[in-house]
Amino acid sequence: ETGVTQSPTHLIKTRGQQVTLRCSSQSGHNTVSWYQQALGQGPQFIFQYYREEENGRGNFPPRFSGLQFPNYSSELNVNALELDDSALYLCASSPPGQSKNIQYFGAGTRLSVL
Amino acid sequence: TQLLEQSPQFLSIQEGENLTVYCNSSSVFSSLQWYRQEPGEGPVLLVTVVTGGEVKKLKRLTFQFGDARKDSSLHITAAQPGDTGLYLCAGARSGAGSYQLTFGKGTKLSVIP
Repeated sequence: ETGVTQSPTHLIKTRGQQVTLRCSSQSGHNTVSWYQQALGQGPQFIFQYYREEENGRGNFPPRFSGLQFPNYSSELNVNALELDDSALYLCASSPPGQSKNIQYFGAGTRLSVL
Repeated sequence: TQLLEQSPQFLSIQEGENLTVYCNSSSVFSSLQWYRQEPGEGPVLLVTVVTGGEVKKLKRLTFQFGDARKDSSLHITAAQPGDTGLYLCAGARSGAGSYQLTFGKGTKLSVIP
């Protein structure tokens, strides 16, 4: 139990639709990262938020966007969904200070795009 | 692009056997982490190694970070069915204040009773 909770656990959407995934980070953790894990692959870094601002981004198009709120919870938004967006989306939170590279993962949201 | 190559991709062994999985990169990371992931769950952190040559033990699991901080290995002694899962290595790098993890594709381990 990492204290990181994600919702919903599963989601089915159709091509072209938009989706919002939510993450509640572990208490006291002010950094949130989002990853996409396709079937049979390792997680791929989407972006990171620190103190409500984007703090680093991986190789994902602008239709992937996010938000972090004052309580450090976070959202991942994906517009114009494509079939290849089907994946497990993982959120991870990190404590402040020198342990920022230690990330605690939630159980993920399984997104299926039909 | 910093890539982490894990080998083997799949491993099926009998309970009680020993095994080693490898994680290799051409790039240097500030630290390297090992995670285990079970179906339907997120990755769970097992260990973080920071110093080149570092060895850490976690019960029957031994983790080693290469001297040049580019590679790592995970050795499991006397594997048990509860060790079954996807083992992921992840390299941490920092840039402009962010800390990104680069994951390998993982080693899927099955321990047969």
